[in-house]
Amino acid sequence: DTGVSQDPRHKITKRGQNVTFRCDPISEHNRLYWYRQTLGQGPEFLTYFQNEAQLEKSRLLSDRFSAERPKGSFSTLEIQRTEQGDSAMYLCASSLDGRAGAHEQYFGPGTRLTVT
Amino acid sequence: DAKTTQPNSMESNEEEPVHLPCNHSTISGTDYIHWYRQLPSQGPEYVIHGLTSNVNNRMASLAIAEDRKSSTLILHRATLRDAAVYYCILRALYNTDKLIFGTGTRLQVFP
Repeated sequence: DTGVSQDPRHKITKRGQNVTFRCDPISEHNRLYWYRQTLGQGPEFLTYFQNEAQLEKSRLLSDRFSAERPKGSFSTLEIQRTEQGDSAMYLCASSLDGRAGAHEQYFGPGTRLTVT
Repeated sequence: DAKTTQPNSMESNEEEPVHLPCNHSTISGTDYIHWYRQLPSQGPEYVIHGLTSNVNNRMASLAIAEDRKSSTLILHRATLRDAAVYYCILRALYNTDKLIFGTGTRLQVFP
């Protein structure tokens, strides 16, 4: 399977704990995106990378959230001191470089986070 | 970013054509029109995109109005597997790279 993969698929954690999610993009894609989706809403953009450079971060990405893509391949999204409001589906996507509007993004299956 | 307006929900019977509308009256000249869909419990899936001309691919067709202020995603023969939320999204060619999703249209397909 050469699609975008995410790990874990499900995570249940207690409030105040730290969690880390991993995303492996399609191998030739140098752009990688993170989105968050709550029930009944469309996905919301969090941040994106071109290679290892983090080029844009949403205001939704509070100081408790940090994302990395150290070698321009896989990426991690860490949430520190989780809160119940962090419960959501975290989606990763990747795309080719080039003209933004002309390229599609390929999404992974998501990591569902439940904070108790 | 220019916004899109879609109906909250639509229904169709299996094997019938489905026309999903999208209004984007504030579209700029360099905005591409993208469609994604999200099946239950899955990540969004790219469907099709276009700029000015109508587009066809194996999944669907995209009809773009001459003034580009609206577009229609056409599923030629709906199947039960097409039941999903369909998102119409404008993407600027040279601006931000993020996708801005609305709430989309939930399509129900009946056997």
